[in-house]
Amino acid sequence: DGGITQSPKYLFRKEGQNVTLSCEQNLNHDAMYWYRQDPGQGLRLIYYSQIVNDFQKGDIAEGYSVSREKKESFPLTVTSAQKNPTAFYLCASTGTSLGEQYFGPGTRLTVT
Amino acid sequence: GQQLNQSPQSMFIQEGEDVSMNCTSSSIFNTWLWYKQEPGEGPVLLIALYKAGELTSNGRLTAQFGITRKDSFLNISASIPSDVGIYFCAGKRGGADGLTFGKGTHLIIQP
Repeated sequence: DGGITQSPKYLFRKEGQNVTLSCEQNLNHDAMYWYRQDPGQGLRLIYYSQIVNDFQKGDIAEGYSVSREKKESFPLTVTSAQKNPTAFYLCASTGTSLGEQYFGPGTRLTVT
Repeated sequence: GQQLNQSPQSMFIQEGEDVSMNCTSSSIFNTWLWYKQEPGEGPVLLIALYKAGELTSNGRLTAQFGITRKDSFLNISASIPSDVGIYFCAGKRGGADGLTFGKGTHLIIQP
């Protein structure tokens, strides 16, 4: 089955800890994206990567970091510098320049 | 960062009714996309629009890319219970840029 997987589905952390969210795709897509969703809100772009070993900041990159060492994988680290990390995190990918992004099932992160 | 202006915020309708929602922006987009999201899940792509003035259908769904490239609308005809969810518009300027999203329209269908 081709698709995007995110793990885990739910993640709980204590304040002050860094946490890494996984995103893997087997669609052979070049570009991958991370979005954050807060209750009652649309998605906001955190980081994106168009090719391996390259990535760009989105609208709300502060407190987050990413890496793109393999085409299939685009992990997101939520650092202790992120002031309000509790949110629903969504990963997406696209294989064309037309713009059709396909999303994974999401990871709900709760920091207390 | 910018978010698109999507309206209405929520809709309470009877099964069988038609639904219309729209999205506007102060700036131009080259691609408009419409997604549906159910609770706790990732958004699912419904329709993609690539040209100003384009009208595209997907079953009971029809969407249009506004001629000014600053707006788009989505219509759902003859709504059924499984249409319940949150519908998002999204715009993209070009290349492999990220998407800019609206805040969503929450569709609730009363039997």
